[in-house]
Amino acid sequence: GENVEQHPSTLSVQEGDSAVIKCTYSDSASNYFPWYKQELGKRPQLIIDIRSNVGEKKDQRIAVTLNKTAKHFSLHITETQPEDSAVYFCAASVSNYKLTFGKGTLLTVNP
Amino acid sequence: ETGVTQTPRHLVMGMTNKKSLKCEQHLGHNAMYWYKQSAKKPLELMFVYNFKEQTENNSVPSRFSPECPNSSHLFLHLHTLQPEDSALYLCASSRDRDSSGNTIYFGEGSWLTVV
Repeated sequence: GENVEQHPSTLSVQEGDSAVIKCTYSDSASNYFPWYKQELGKRPQLIIDIRSNVGEKKDQRIAVTLNKTAKHFSLHITETQPEDSAVYFCAASVSNYKLTFGKGTLLTVNP
Repeated sequence: ETGVTQTPRHLVMGMTNKKSLKCEQHLGHNAMYWYKQSAKKPLELMFVYNFKEQTENNSVPSRFSPECPNSSHLFLHLHTLQPEDSALYLCASSRDRDSSGNTIYFGEGSWLTVV
């Protein structure tokens, strides 16, 4: 089955800096790659996703890139703010519903 | 945001107890899911229901028994659990199982502690 590796497990940045979280996946048939943000005690919420027919997608300060050949995808957050502090999860899916998640990255943005 | 609501939010139960977790979604979705979230481990898919039919059981022990009486409600019945079952149990829903652009929405979760 699918295996998703996520790095780093923790990331600390200064406010205003950029943050990058990387994931690799094993199943070349995977075609859907969402990113979820989970604040402490809250539900995971989808922040951005990308499909395999697209190499990059951007939404304001958040962008995701996908390299199908290398089987990795990354989340980029620019101009980080303290409210960006949370755990971020990547996921990969062959179908539209069966998501395999990474272990998560705890992002801390220091004011 | 009240799209997917879970109750109770916190539950402490003994190993011989029987309890249930409840999930309700107000999004008009037809697929519902149970996930388990443990410390230091990825979110694990447990069960999938599509139009009230169970379509996925991810090798979950029988001490966890799901029930989906309609597309809006999902239960997880718990019986003779083990301490290692202590975790955050997340319910989720999506439009249906197979649509493209099928965003999965999570509830706030039920924190379960087995003593």
